[in-house]
Amino acid sequence: DAKTTQPNSMESNEEEPVHLPCNHSTISGTDYIHWYRQLPSQGPEYVIHGLTSNVNNRMASLAIAEDRKSSTLILHRATLRDAAVYYCILRDGDFGNEKLTFGTGTRLTIIP
Amino acid sequence: DAGVIQSPRHEVTEMGQEVTLRCKPISGHNSLFWYRQTMMRGLELLIYFNNNVPIDDSGMPEDRFSAKMPNASFSTLKIQPSEPRDSAVYFCASRLGGQGHGYTFGSGTRLTVV
Repeated sequence: DAKTTQPNSMESNEEEPVHLPCNHSTISGTDYIHWYRQLPSQGPEYVIHGLTSNVNNRMASLAIAEDRKSSTLILHRATLRDAAVYYCILRDGDFGNEKLTFGTGTRLTIIP
Repeated sequence: DAGVIQSPRHEVTEMGQEVTLRCKPISGHNSLFWYRQTMMRGLELLIYFNNNVPIDDSGMPEDRFSAKMPNASFSTLKIQPSEPRDSAVYFCASRLGGQGHGYTFGSGTRLTVV
């Protein structure tokens, strides 16, 4: 599986935008970029995913570099509820491969 | 939609006992995954099923672990005999096939083996 690199931790002020970076320099053409988050004492939660184009949904935006070697998860206005560990994961889009392999993620702290 | 349902939420058992964890995936989802999370090793994929068939069990730590999916709405993860190092939170997840869908995780079962 292609690897991702994320900062171990980040802090952000409440009601400010948050940009969570992820490097994936060995990404292949069929790898989708997935983001999940895990709130304290809960299971991981799907946030967003994309292949080449930037993506938006009700939770966040995903900005993907033109060479696809990096991406950024954007939380437009952080709340205390966004404090979690955020995982950037590459998933091979080839049919038949369903594996989702988690790394260590970025622990996001929101400062009131 | 009730989401992915796992039971029990908490399990405390003595070393050597058999433990069975249960999972009900979201109706219509055709892939099911079992993960284990510990402080030391993070989230590890143990096994996954596609259309009730085990596809990849390379993450199952040893023969003491077994998983079954007898039908599309139920799966079990069994540990026999259990050991203290099996203490962890076990998550089940399900997914609808295709590239446009994410994985939905259950709330987990916290297993403590004493």
